[in-house]
Amino acid sequence: QKEVEQDPGPLSVPEGAIVSLNCTYSNSAFQYFMWYRQYSRKGPELLMYTYSSGNKEDGRFTAQVDKSSKYISLFIRDSQPSDSATYLCAKTGWVAGNMLTFGGGTRLMVKP
Amino acid sequence: GAGVSQTPSNKVTEKGKYVELRCDPISGHTALYWYRQSLGQGPEFLIYFQGTGAADDSGLPNDRFFAVRPEGSVSTLKIQRTERGDSAVYLCASSPQTGELFFGEGSRLTVL
Repeated sequence: QKEVEQDPGPLSVPEGAIVSLNCTYSNSAFQYFMWYRQYSRKGPELLMYTYSSGNKEDGRFTAQVDKSSKYISLFIRDSQPSDSATYLCAKTGWVAGNMLTFGGGTRLMVKP
Repeated sequence: GAGVSQTPSNKVTEKGKYVELRCDPISGHTALYWYRQSLGQGPEFLIYFQGTGAADDSGLPNDRFFAVRPEGSVSTLKIQRTERGDSAVYLCASSPQTGELFFGEGSRLTVL
């Protein structure tokens, strides 16, 4: 079993839809959780990170962590065609950013 | 430039050949990481440098892979006797002492 699991998609939604992307993880030793966005043939870029359980909001993006069920979610409101990319969830240890363990990524397509 | 620079962007080689991939991190970043991303998968950790020394090389798949960072800045990932299974995108990332990883666009390696 991989430490971080994601549905690979692709997930296709119309412009303006609310998107829900999800991950599960298996090792409770990890504390920080991140969402990265990766456009085709580009490197991943950090969208959001969170430490604790609960919600964290940044513009149209909300990250949610439920440590009791080991579940991580990213919600995108008012999705735009420019949001079309692969979304990677990741987790790490006690220091944010170090030695990330990534999920396999979910490919999102937002159609105009 | 301001970001992480990786060269070459594309490398095609024949099975059994030797390959070097270069990473030029963001100026002042002490930590440097190498990840490998196969098609349709998330990045997998290879090695992490803090300064000149490899702080963690547990992700290197075998002794054909080696990485150096002699002056604490530029790093080179070296692959000996390449195999077709080595074909992937090799991503480099750098970060300050602790914190967000900034990824380059990757070096796409194809072993024929």
